[in-house]
Amino acid sequence: GENVEQHPSTLSVQEGDSAVIKCTYSDSASNYFPWYKQELGKRPQLIIDIRSNVGEKKDQRIAVTLNKTAKHFSLHITETQPEDSAVYFCAASIQNYGQNFVFGPGTRLSVLP
Amino acid sequence: GAVVSQHPSWVICKSGTSVKIECRSLDFQATTMFWYRQFPKQSLMLMATSNEGSKATYEQGVEKDKFLINHASLTLSTLTVTSAHPEDSSFYICSARGDRVNEQFFGPGTRLTVL
Repeated sequence: GENVEQHPSTLSVQEGDSAVIKCTYSDSASNYFPWYKQELGKRPQLIIDIRSNVGEKKDQRIAVTLNKTAKHFSLHITETQPEDSAVYFCAASIQNYGQNFVFGPGTRLSVLP
Repeated sequence: GAVVSQHPSWVICKSGTSVKIECRSLDFQATTMFWYRQFPKQSLMLMATSNEGSKATYEQGVEKDKFLINHASLTLSTLTVTSAHPEDSSFYICSARGDRVNEQFFGPGTRLTVL
């Protein structure tokens, strides 16, 4: 089955700097990759996703890149703000088969003022 | 986005009792619902997948007789933790998927503490 790894497990950046979180997956059939943000004690919220027919997607300060050959994808947050502090999870799944998401272990991002 | 509710938000129970957690999709029909368990500072671990009107599919290592899942309608799924023990204490989160196959909307979670 699918296995998703995520690095780093914790990340601290100064406000205004960029943050990058990387994930790798094992199943070459996976073709949908969402990223979720979870604040303490709250539900995960989808922040951006990418499908395998696209190499990059951007939404304001957030971008995701995908390298299908290497089977890795990354989340990029620019101009970080304190409210970006949270745990971020990547996930992988197979579109059109309705399969569940396999989540990475998470990255705890701290944005220092 | 779509709204998913969970009830209760937290529950404390004695060891040996059973606890039922409800997951509802409030403004869409959820053909599939997922139940996750999350320990402190850890990732979301899928417990089971439930489709309306059929038996749930449990992940390896999850006891189906201990974690009873019922998906009786397109807007409601329940998870019952039977004969709960302290090691069952955790944060349980459901998610629901509707017509758009790859969108999952999460509930707010239920924190279960078993004394």
